[in-house]
Amino acid sequence: GENVEQHPSTLSVQEGDSAVIKCTYSDSASNYFPWYKQELGKRPQLIIDIRSNVGEKKDQRIAVTLNKTAKHFSLHITETQPEDSAVYFCAASILSSASKIIFGSGTRLSIRP
Amino acid sequence: DTAVSQTPKYLVTQMGNDKSIKCEQNLGHDTMYWYKQDSKKFLKIMFSYNNKELIINETVPNRFSPKSPDKAHLNLHINSLELGDSAVYFCASSQYGATSNNEQFFGPGTRLTVL
Repeated sequence: GENVEQHPSTLSVQEGDSAVIKCTYSDSASNYFPWYKQELGKRPQLIIDIRSNVGEKKDQRIAVTLNKTAKHFSLHITETQPEDSAVYFCAASILSSASKIIFGSGTRLSIRP
Repeated sequence: DTAVSQTPKYLVTQMGNDKSIKCEQNLGHDTMYWYKQDSKKFLKIMFSYNNKELIINETVPNRFSPKSPDKAHLNLHINSLELGDSAVYFCASSQYGATSNNEQFFGPGTRLTVL
């Protein structure tokens, strides 16, 4: 089955700097890679996603890149702000009738003022 | 209006008890899920139902039994609770389809504490 590894487990960056979180997946059939943000005490929420037919996607200060050959995908947050502090989860899945999303272990991002 | 709701929000109980968590979604989605998030924040899928039919059943002790009376509801019953069951349980729903990205809409979570 699919296995998703996520690094680092914790990340602290200065406000205004960039943050990068990296994930790898094992199942070459996976074709959908969402990222979820979970603020303290809240539910996870989708912030951005990418499908396997695209190499990069950007939405304001966040971007995701996908390298299908290497089975790597990454989340990039630029100009970090205090509200970016949260736990971020990468995930991988196959868009099919029995879809199952496998989450990475999470990265706790802290933004230092 | 809350899209995915769960009750109760907090549940504190003794070892050996039986408890249930209820989930409802008003998004019209076909698929619902239960996830367990442990103290290290690891988010793991437990079950998934599509149109009231069980489609995903991960390696979960059979003390956990999901039930979907209709596609808007998915409940989780846990028998003989153990200390290791303490976690936050999230319900989620999604709409699978050719044009859908299967985005998981999570409920607010139920924090279960077994004493």
